[in-house]
Amino acid sequence: GQNIDQPTEMTATEGAIVQINCTYQTSGFNGLFWYQQHAGEAPTFLSYNVLDGLEEKGRFSSFLSRSKGYSYLLLKELQMKDSASYLCAVRDNTDKLIFGTGTRLQVFP
Amino acid sequence: SAVISQKPSRDICQRGTSLTIQCQVDSQVTMMFWYRQQPGQSLTLIATANQGSEATYESGFVIDKFPISRPNLTFSTLTVSNMSPEDSSIYLCSVEGEDGVYEQYFGPGTRLTVT
Repeated sequence: GQNIDQPTEMTATEGAIVQINCTYQTSGFNGLFWYQQHAGEAPTFLSYNVLDGLEEKGRFSSFLSRSKGYSYLLLKELQMKDSASYLCAVRDNTDKLIFGTGTRLQVFP
Repeated sequence: SAVISQKPSRDICQRGTSLTIQCQVDSQVTMMFWYRQQPGQSLTLIATANQGSEATYESGFVIDKFPISRPNLTFSTLTVSNMSPEDSSIYLCSVEGEDGVYEQYFGPGTRLTVT
């Protein structure tokens, strides 16, 4: 079966760095996506990895290791507005997007 | 990026009734997707809607329960039929970007409560 695992909840302090991990087992791999979802809102696209390595976009970076079936999202200089759920999603070999259950991040002052 | 609107934003419906959710995109797109997000859970793909052909449903979802229309390249509807409390969920439509990454852009969602 298809499986994507993320921690359910994480907490961090404003200004700190947090790493959200994602491991996956899917039928093929055509890219990994990270989405941010604030409570009561739709998910918004954050990052995309299809090759191994680190992709940096401002305060957010995403890493991928295809051989390990592993990715992480790194958030630096945390702000209160970063409190949200972060969804890891993998596109499988049918180009279907499989979502993890999401990690709820709470940032405290 | 695409701008997507959905109607209604939320509704409370009685068991046994049906609700049609509308999704409008500000540009022409080939595929539109319908997802369900049950409380505390992640997104599950219901079906993919292509203009001019029948929707493709994922395992566990059937056309009789979730009929979909796709009359043109900017619009789609999802009907939740013969509703039960288990259908209480957020329903989101989405489209893919066409810049080679194919990230998905989501509508604001329709929050459905079935009593």
